[in-house]
Amino acid sequence: DSGVTQTPKHLITATGQRVTLRCSPRSGDLSVYWYQQSLDQGLQFLIQYYNGEERAKGNILERFSAQQFPDLHSELNLSSLELGDSALYFCASSEDGNEKLFFGSGTQLSVL
Amino acid sequence: AQTVTQSQPEMSVQEAETVTLSCTYDTSENNYYLFWYKQPPSRQMILVIRQEAYKQQNATENRFSVNFQKAAKSFSLKISDSQLGDTAMYFCAFMKQRAMRFGAGTRLTVKP
Repeated sequence: DSGVTQTPKHLITATGQRVTLRCSPRSGDLSVYWYQQSLDQGLQFLIQYYNGEERAKGNILERFSAQQFPDLHSELNLSSLELGDSALYFCASSEDGNEKLFFGSGTQLSVL
Repeated sequence: AQTVTQSQPEMSVQEAETVTLSCTYDTSENNYYLFWYKQPPSRQMILVIRQEAYKQQNATENRFSVNFQKAAKSFSLKISDSQLGDTAMYFCAFMKQRAMRFGAGTRLTVKP
């Protein structure tokens, strides 16, 4: 168990819908990362937050947004969903943003 | 932008033997981190080993060791005494300034 909690584990929705994925980092970790893993794109870095502030941005679509709350949990919002958004979404946390990442078990999103 | 290349999509090894997974990366940075992550069929991302670029000594974690060649930008993973539980996807990753980039992965199968 990495100590990073992601909910829900599975999510099935329809095109055009909006979903929210939730992540609770390890106790004491200030940094949260979001990754998308799909068969054709591999593991893609989406975005990183450190102590509530956005610190780094990767290949995140404009339809996607994220935030980190004062209690350090983070949410990834995906809107206007398309079939191609179906993927495994990972959250990871680290202590200071430049150390080893600990990954949650992921949220499997299926857009039908 | 940094890129990470894993040139071996699939590999197999007999139980108890040694196998080496290759990884090369491209960067103009001098200080960075390199990682190997393991993703078994459960799809959990598990940290195997970490190397800091400013350290010349190769990292070792039990049966796992790396061969870090900074000038050649090479970072290979050696697994000794392979076990059936080592069967997984292995991802090489590069981290600098909070963004971790992953290679496409190598699928390793350990045969009994």
